[in-house]
Amino acid sequence: GESVGLHLPTLSVQEGDNSIINCAYSNSASDYFIWYKQESGKGPQFIIDIRSNMDKRQGQRVTVLLNKTVKHLSLQIAATQPGDSAVYFCAETPTGANNLFFGTGTRLTVIP
Amino acid sequence: DAGITQSPRHKVTETGTPVTLRCHQTENHRYMYWYRQDPGHGLRLIHYSYGVKDTDKGEVSDGYSVSRSKTEDFLLTLESATSSQTSVYFCAISAATYSYEQYFGPGTRLTVT
Repeated sequence: GESVGLHLPTLSVQEGDNSIINCAYSNSASDYFIWYKQESGKGPQFIIDIRSNMDKRQGQRVTVLLNKTVKHLSLQIAATQPGDSAVYFCAETPTGANNLFFGTGTRLTVIP
Repeated sequence: DAGITQSPRHKVTETGTPVTLRCHQTENHRYMYWYRQDPGHGLRLIHYSYGVKDTDKGEVSDGYSVSRSKTEDFLLTLESATSSQTSVYFCAISAATYSYEQYFGPGTRLTVT
């Protein structure tokens, strides 16, 4: 499989800088919000999740922020590396559901 | 890819022919999913399974059927392929406790001519 998205929003950052990828969601009844990374030719890879009753969660070099007032989710990547170049998707899961609803993705390009 | 394989990885078929895609997992996870990925749409859920012989429709299920006779295998069938079903198909799995934490296979690129 390949990453698709001929008309994706794009973000270019210098290696070593911090990256911020944004996502607007629509369902205020969602329970969990998740970020996935998709490298070219591969399936999406789980990065980090945040529950709806939280506003911030940190992982290794990544931080997810949730603003329920404006229905906005962001993924911050610290000290961006060339291996971070990929398409990033946000996804949400409605309360009580087992399936995910994905956004259209953002293509991150890291400039060496 | 978390013990998930998909077959075939690439397929070209003609309109009107039946096609079956296979997803196989070695993780013994309860949930299995089929998504399609198209430009401008991200990933959209076709069908999912919450156990052997237990399946349900997703948001784009028309024209597709699924079967799960064993925990490890989830089949997606296009009874009569159409050009609108040209896409990249991904299988995903998740454990029952954290069903939102899904792990994806490598994908199958299907072209219907």
